[in-house]
Amino acid sequence: GQQVMQIPQYQHVQEGEDFTTYCNSSTTLSNIQWYKQRPGGHPVFLIQLVKSGEVKKQKRLTFQFGEAKKNSSLHITATQTTDVGTYFCLRLSGGSYIPTFGRGTSLIVHP
Amino acid sequence: GAVVSQHPSWVICKSGTSVKIECRSLDFQATTMFWYRQFPKQSLMLMATSNEGSKATYEQGVEKDKFLINHASLTLSTLTVTSAHPEDSSFYICSARVSGGADEQFFGPGTRLTVL
Repeated sequence: GQQVMQIPQYQHVQEGEDFTTYCNSSTTLSNIQWYKQRPGGHPVFLIQLVKSGEVKKQKRLTFQFGEAKKNSSLHITATQTTDVGTYFCLRLSGGSYIPTFGRGTSLIVHP
Repeated sequence: GAVVSQHPSWVICKSGTSVKIECRSLDFQATTMFWYRQFPKQSLMLMATSNEGSKATYEQGVEKDKFLINHASLTLSTLTVTSAHPEDSSFYICSARVSGGADEQFFGPGTRLTVL
């Protein structure tokens, strides 16, 4: 499938600091999903963004979908140790639902 | 919420043997299940899409004769790693979509395969 670039690969923060991970595509995305995988665990669905310029919030998490639908971001405000894990974006190809994960951003929160 | 189970959670086998991994949707029907492979500190790589009652669709570079997928019912898909070798050692995760539901995937807990 077509690639989606995700940066950074790792992010170390002090507890209370903010965190952002970005996903970029060279082609227009029909939608984008975000998942979280805790160490030793499996991915858990967080959200799906569909509309151009869409912004959704879940408590301290803010998800954005770019106006051109080629990029997306996940921002965590005031990180906590429970936020530790790897955050993946996922694109679905066209109408055939072929999922492609970004490489993921591993968040490490230092207490 | 939708729950997906996977069995076994870990398996150690000798080189040359075959290993079967089961993926079940416990409280919903899943017309489509996905099989992924994940190496340490890496992303999930889609291996194949499993559709109930039809042949699986394999991603480029994935040997269909090596990784046999069967999706015999709306709640069960199996992945058989045939003639396993040490390079097949990995974390295998399945996921399922709810039939007629939204686009989100529900993931199983994964199976850690170690081939000696």
